[in-house]
Amino acid sequence: KQEVTQIPAALSVPEGENLVLNCSFTDSAIYNLQWFRQDPGKGLTSLLLIQSSQREQTSGRLNASLDKSSGRSTLYIAASQPGDSATYLCALCSGGGADGLTFGKGTHLIIQP
Amino acid sequence: GAVVSQHPSWVICKSGTSVKIECRSLDFQATTMFWYRQFPKQSLMLMATSNEGSKATYEQGVEKDKFLINHASLTLSTLTVTSAHPEDSSFYICSARDEITGRSEQYFGPGTRLTVT
Repeated sequence: KQEVTQIPAALSVPEGENLVLNCSFTDSAIYNLQWFRQDPGKGLTSLLLIQSSQREQTSGRLNASLDKSSGRSTLYIAASQPGDSATYLCALCSGGGADGLTFGKGTHLIIQP
Repeated sequence: GAVVSQHPSWVICKSGTSVKIECRSLDFQATTMFWYRQFPKQSLMLMATSNEGSKATYEQGVEKDKFLINHASLTLSTLTVTSAHPEDSSFYICSARDEITGRSEQYFGPGTRLTVT
């Protein structure tokens, strides 16, 4: 059974800092990996999707990497802003893409103005 | 593109009643939709996979007779919580899988907050 762990569980940093969120998983037989953002009481916003054959994806100030062999993914946020404050979730899809996602518990991020 | 809606966004019901939640893919067709549940300060847990034109597949520990899923069209899946109890109070989120691009990316609805009194 796939298990997804996110470290740290919570993070508070001053505005402008670059930061890295970590995601690890136990089964490397994944189809893809997605990073999401969730604001309090809201649904999910997809940030980046990395296919199993890819090593990284970039969107604006966000960069996500994937290392299947070590069971790790990182989400790098450059020049953090207060609007980046949210919970960031890592989720994996297995089963050839047909399965539902397995989520980590998330990293609660606070960017201090 | 790739917008998924849910209705209602929140609902309060009395214990013992049934509640129906709708999940719609607005600008794409989805033969597969998923239902997740999120308890306070917890992550999302997959409840079931909804397949258009066939029976849903439920995750271990999820009662299929309590959480009825119907996926009657390529753009609509419904989740009915039958005989709701306070322990069913949760945030229910659906997703629809985009099968056109081949990336199997899932797009999520905004969620439905259910409170059972």
